[in-house]
Amino acid sequence: RKEVEQDPGPFNVPEGATVAFNCTYSNSASQSFFWYRQDCRKEPKLLMSVYSSGNEDGRFTAQLNRASQYISLLIRDSKLSDSATYLCVVNKEISGTYKYIFGTGTRLKVLA
Amino acid sequence: ETGVTQTPRHLVMGMTNKKSLKCEQHLGHNAMYWYKQSAKKPLELMFVYNFKEQTENNSVPSRFSPECPNSSHLFLHLHTLQPEDSALYLCASSQDASGQLNTGELFFGEGSRLTVL
Repeated sequence: RKEVEQDPGPFNVPEGATVAFNCTYSNSASQSFFWYRQDCRKEPKLLMSVYSSGNEDGRFTAQLNRASQYISLLIRDSKLSDSATYLCVVNKEISGTYKYIFGTGTRLKVLA
Repeated sequence: ETGVTQTPRHLVMGMTNKKSLKCEQHLGHNAMYWYKQSAKKPLELMFVYNFKEQTENNSVPSRFSPECPNSSHLFLHLHTLQPEDSALYLCASSQDASGQLNTGELFFGEGSRLTVL
């Protein structure tokens, strides 16, 4: 089983739609969680951290369910500029070093 | 503009060549990482350096050899590579890989796209 699993998509949605991505992780000892965004032929960049109580940043809402080992990202009122690959990232400590484990990413295309 | 710069951006090499990838970060971070990104695969962690000490070697073949002369610079030396090593190699940095200063954010360079013929 992969450590971090995501539906690769693509998700094709019209502008203005609400879209949700899910991610599951296998290691219950994982300690912190993030969503990164990667544009085509560009490097990944942090979109937002995911906190236990859930958190929102403008049109983006992240949720964490530790019991189910599940993370989600909700994007409201999608814009064309939201088209990208969204990477779920889990951070766990092994022997004193934090390792960032990436999912394969979910591709989003927002259509005009 | 990224605070992590990688050179070269593109590299084509034969299986018998020796080349190096270079990464420099201008963020004052203490941890640096090499990741490999292949098509349809997740980013694979290769090496981690924290305060210039290698803390992770993720079962990477010896044809990849990292070097970290100081906290700002990281190299990946390549020799006798295979065609399946063709990928995007991403360097990243963070404040600290040991957790004490760990904010969770990795800052990536734009990557070095490697093609092995």
